[in-house]
Amino acid sequence: SQTIHQWPATLVQPVGSPLSLECTVEGTSNPNLYWYRQAAGRGLQLLFYSVGIGQISSEVPQNLSASRPQDRQFILSSKKLLLSDSGFYLCAWSVDSNTYNEQFFGPGTRLTVL
Amino acid sequence: AQKITQTQPGMFVQEKEAVTLDCTYDTSDQSYGLFWYKQPSSGEMIFLIYQGSYDEQNATEGRYSLNFQKARKSANLVISASQLGDSAMYFCAMRDRGSQGNLIFGKGTKLSVKP
Repeated sequence: SQTIHQWPATLVQPVGSPLSLECTVEGTSNPNLYWYRQAAGRGLQLLFYSVGIGQISSEVPQNLSASRPQDRQFILSSKKLLLSDSGFYLCAWSVDSNTYNEQFFGPGTRLTVL
Repeated sequence: AQKITQTQPGMFVQEKEAVTLDCTYDTSDQSYGLFWYKQPSSGEMIFLIYQGSYDEQNATEGRYSLNFQKARKSANLVISASQLGDSAMYFCAMRDRGSQGNLIFGKGTKLSVKP
């Protein structure tokens, strides 16, 4: 069966510090991968998605970036965090971009920027 | 543009009763999928149920059913026999070809089940 991991689970970082969040998927090959952010009490905002190694599409211009160095690894990064980067970050995967396939989510990373 | 609307920020339901969570959507595509996710306080998004735009029957999954009214562009979630563990945020989402396979989420409904 497929599983998706995210770490760290929680993170407290000062403004201006770098960020690296990691997501890995097991049990499937060539998945579509997604990064979402959820601000407190809000819905999910898609940040990045990837359909293959090295292929990243950005949905929202910001100081975050994403990379996919391996087939089942997706990394969210920032060189300098802002206060507004605080939130709950969720990684997700799907079999493909077909409208009929659901996305499965990881446990999330709660980021607080002070 | 694609859009999901959930008009109920919060809902209360008595334990063992049924509850309906509303969701309307907007898309110009004929082919699309509608999804419901549950988010408990732990934060994880749990997939509940799916409805395809060409499915003629309403989807059901255990105590969850989706009341799909295509002409009205609504996809309401019905939870039967509510349990205390159903207390959570519920999100309606959609994928269509215009969204390139990405999920468009509504703002969610917070369901509280009373004992």
